[in-house]
Parts: sequence; structure tokens; C-alpha cells
Amino acid sequence: AQSVTQPDIHITVSEGASLELRCNYSYGATPYLFWYVQSPGQGLQLLLKYFSGDTLVQGIKGFEAEFKRSQSSFNLRKPSVHWSDAAEYFCAVGAGWNSGGSNYKLTFGKGTLLTVNP
Amino acid sequence: EAQVTQNPRYLITVTGKKLTVTCSQNMNHEYMSWYRQDPGLGLRQIYYSMNVEVTDKGDVPEGYKVSRKEKRNFPLILESPSPNQTSLYFCASSHRSGRGINEQFFGPGTRLTVL
Repeated sequence: AQSVTQPDIHITVSEGASLELRCNYSYGATPYLFWYVQSPGQGLQLLLKYFSGDTLVQGIKGFEAEFKRSQSSFNLRKPSVHWSDAAEYFCAVGAGWNSGGSNYKLTFGKGTLLTVNP
Repeated sequence: EAQVTQNPRYLITVTGKKLTVTCSQNMNHEYMSWYRQDPGLGLRQIYYSMNVEVTDKGDVPEGYKVSRKEKRNFPLILESPSPNQTSLYFCASSHRSGRGINEQFFGPGTRLTVL
């Protein structure tokens, strides 16, 4: 069964500091990986996704993530955090291209809450 | 505007009173899904649908029903709601990719309280 672990429940950074949110996944085949962001009281917005190809993926709002198959990780990074980045971030894994098309479940991690200090 | 809509956005009800939360998308997506979000548990998939008349259980289907009679609509039905179904519910949709799961577009959420 697929699963996602986000080891950090809550992270606090200062505005302008760099950020890395960790995500580890478990999936038996090639995974498709996603990062979503949820601002307070809002729905989920896709930040970026990895399907194949270049393991460094660029997303919206200046975020990037790197897929490391050997570490089963897909960590999210941003070089300089803005106060508006305060939100909850969710990593998710789903069936990849060689799954045979039989598994269309998307599994989310429990989320990392980001607080940004001025 | 491409979007996923949910109604109602907020609902307070009592135990045992049947309710339906509607979900509609205007992007001609084949795939639709329901999630519930609870503090500390993230999002958990309730049911999903690959296409009209095709539905399957997610990770937490107990106490819920769904139907997919039309491509654009995917209602979530609670036949006999209980307090443990108090949660924030999200509907999502995406194009179905023969190669695997695809990025999903989420609705604004429905906050349900069962007394």
C-alpha cells in the first residue's frame, strides 16, 4: 500500500530564510508525486508535481522539489520565504505510469504547518 | 472559469438525518474524488470515480455512499450521519490519464458538523 510521511508537523522560519519541507513516500512502482498548499480557510492548491524526467521540479510561488528515488523522498524547498507562504503543506503520492492503470488513489501525508516570523 | 463547486459550504445537522453534499465540475474531468480532512490526519480519500457509473472505495468509505450518474456531478451521501463524521470535506476532479494518477483540482470544502 502506498503511504506518505511528513516528519515535521510544524515548522517556524523567519521571513527571508530558506525553507525545506520533508516528504518520504512508500510506493512499489514509479510514483507520481505532488505538493499542495492550503492557506487558512481555503481549499488546496497544487504547487508542483513530478511525473517523470528531470528530478528537480519547479512550481509556482518560487517553490521547487527534488525527487530522490534512492531516498524515497520528494522534499519541497524555497530559497527565501515570504510571510504569505504561511500555510499548511501536503505531500501526496499516486500511481505512476507503470501501475497498469489500476490504482487511481491519491494518498496524502498528514501535512506540515508553516509559520513565518517577521 | 474552470472550477469545482461544492454545496453546501457549511452544514450543521443531527445524528441520523440523511444528507447529501453536492459536487460539480465544469472541466469535463473523468476522475472525481471525495476526501475528508481532520486535524492531525491530513486528507483521507473516501470514494473515487473513474468515470460515469464507475466508483470505488478509498481509504475511509464506511458510512458514506456516492453515485456518478453524470460526468460533471459526484454527490456524497451520508445515509445516517454520526458525530464521528464531523469533518471538512473536499471534492476533487482531474482528467483521467491512462498512465496513472493526475493532478487534481479541489473544491472549496464543506464543513460538516453532526450533533
